[in-house]
Amino acid sequence: EAGVTQFPSHSVIEKGQTVTLRCDPISGHDNLYWYRRVMGKEIKFLLHFVKESKQDESGMPNNRFLAERTGGTYSTLKVQPAELEDSGVYFCASSWGARGTGELFFGEGSRLTVL
Amino acid sequence: DQQVKQNSPSLSVQEGRISILNCDYTNSMFDYFLWYKKYPAEGPTFLISISSIKDKNEDGRFTVFLNKSAKHLSLHIVPSQPGDSAVYFCAAYSAQGGSEKLVFGKGTKLTVNP
Repeated sequence: EAGVTQFPSHSVIEKGQTVTLRCDPISGHDNLYWYRRVMGKEIKFLLHFVKESKQDESGMPNNRFLAERTGGTYSTLKVQPAELEDSGVYFCASSWGARGTGELFFGEGSRLTVL
Repeated sequence: DQQVKQNSPSLSVQEGRISILNCDYTNSMFDYFLWYKKYPAEGPTFLISISSIKDKNEDGRFTVFLNKSAKHLSLHIVPSQPGDSAVYFCAAYSAQGGSEKLVFGKGTKLTVNP
């Protein structure tokens, strides 16, 4: 069974440019999460989808970040325009539909470097 | 303000000895506590969890202890193996309310020396 896949694995862009990160969750997982880790710091929650609906987007830093989950399958996270402080590793995670114990399956992450 | 704290950025132990990783939290509403392990260039992988109604959970070489009165939990690895070398993240989760987000600590880098 395929795990959570993320693309690209690494993106280097200049300040002011746009980047779109993609996440394909495990098939059948209704819950999809985006997290971010800035170097040396904690992994921070960005938002949570249940199927195609945003359940919680309280962690989104500002309106330069836009997340979508078309048809309740894959998700994209767009940063436009990118700033230096957006650099970090963006993790996607998914889980089954029923409210559980917090166990999430993470992808390998997309490293974003903004120059 | 950090709700989950891992005050030791790194820990080094000898193969075969015990590794103890510590975690403190401030939010008494957390229902579950989890440990994730992360290797370089990989995503975090779930290791073990404990419900707030328990004080111990064991899975093979891994045991998690929870002290609710002290808002403290620890992960014990016995015996430690070189393959256990990774960054360990403590995380907490509240099943109440509408949000199901995990709150993570900063991680502790464990090095197990052969």
